[in-house]
Amino acid sequence: GAVVSQHPSWVICKSGTSVKIECRSLDFQATTMFWYRQFPKQSLMLMATSNEGSKATYEQGVEKDKFLINHASLTLSTLTVTSAHPEDSSFYICSARVSTTVSYEQYFGPGTRLTVT
Amino acid sequence: GENVEQHPSTLSVQEGDSAVIKCTYSDSASNYFPWYKQELGKRPQLIIDIRSNVGEKKDQRIAVTLNKTAKHFSLHITETQPEDSAVYFCAASKEGGGFKTIFGAGTRLFVKA
Repeated sequence: GAVVSQHPSWVICKSGTSVKIECRSLDFQATTMFWYRQFPKQSLMLMATSNEGSKATYEQGVEKDKFLINHASLTLSTLTVTSAHPEDSSFYICSARVSTTVSYEQYFGPGTRLTVT
Repeated sequence: GENVEQHPSTLSVQEGDSAVIKCTYSDSASNYFPWYKQELGKRPQLIIDIRSNVGEKKDQRIAVTLNKTAKHFSLHITETQPEDSAVYFCAASKEGGGFKTIFGAGTRLFVKA
């Protein structure tokens, strides 16, 4: 089945620093990847849609300059949290859509728990 | 904008009983409805999905029904087991428009042994 990996699984950083999170589709090509943020006991909040070779589409209220997304290849998308602050602490999950004309399935990475001190 | 409402937020059942989770969606153009199970600290796992050209789909103890007219879809788990305890999310999406998937708020299911 489709496997999505995410790295790192957890990270602690100091306020003001930047953190990069990688999302990889291991056994399939993903033209589209999605980045979500999940607060404890809450649902998945879509932050942005990452399209290979083009700019990401951000959801309303998500700062583009704060959360930089790069989808450099069909198997890799990165999310960089710039100038992180404690309120950015959260669980970040990526997902990738299997790229076929009939398949809509999305598969999730294991998530990255970010703690900003 | 698009919205998916999910009920109940918490559901507690006795082992062996059935559990039903209901969702409604707002965008009539939605044509794909997946359900995810998320255990504590883990990634959401796709457990079943249904497309708009089908009214019902079953996979062992899990079934999903879709009423396009009413814009309702539901997850049915029969013969529940303690390992079914998790948070379940419904979602709705459509091809095109960036293929955005909108998630419900989640249902925390407790199956008591």
